[in-house]
Amino acid sequence: DAGITQSPRHKVTETGTPVTLRCHQTENHRYMYWYRQDPGHGLRLIHYSYGVKDTDKGEVSDGYSVSRSKTEDFLLTLESATSSQTSVYFCAISGQGDTEAFFGQGTRLTVV
Amino acid sequence: AQSVTQPDIHITVSEGASLELRCNYSYGATPYLFWYVQSPGQGLQLLLKYFSGDTLVQGIKGFEAEFKRSQSSFNLRKPSVHWSDAAEYFCAVGADNNNDMRFGAGTRLTVKP
Repeated sequence: DAGITQSPRHKVTETGTPVTLRCHQTENHRYMYWYRQDPGHGLRLIHYSYGVKDTDKGEVSDGYSVSRSKTEDFLLTLESATSSQTSVYFCAISGQGDTEAFFGQGTRLTVV
Repeated sequence: AQSVTQPDIHITVSEGASLELRCNYSYGATPYLFWYVQSPGQGLQLLLKYFSGDTLVQGIKGFEAEFKRSQSSFNLRKPSVHWSDAAEYFCAVGADNNNDMRFGAGTRLTVKP
């Protein structure tokens, strides 16, 4: 497996609380991504980063923010979790140009 | 933005039978195309990818896919399915700079003994 670690792997949180998911890579790849996976929707891009402090929105970014202060870490924050954000979240990384994306093992988040 | 459609939500095949999973994409330029496989509780593993050149690409685990520009398709095939191939399969399309990879909804494959 590519050097990608997601933490935590599982989390249950209450509606309205902030939640931060962490993605850590040891590959020194430029691009990092956060996806959510829901039945019938496949994977949908939340936010991505193309360098330190360089981020952009994906197709389902509402309610989420990200930060990348170091090449190796990409944080996804739910400012005020809602039940609709219950999902499995995947981090992915890729290098410059036409390389594939490598995925982490996922974080299962339940908002109750 | 680019998009992907996987028309089949669930497919069941017998072990040893051939397999074809369909994928149609929408993108104005030459796409980057990928097939990933996901076993239960796991992340996604790349099976194969197409960027340019030969339109028939070979991947891991005996899979292949063919890029057909005229049909905007990138179907995944395997001549003889094994029970261990049971999983969910995702087709994805990337843009020129690979910043925004879009996934299909996935096809779940069941393999009958």
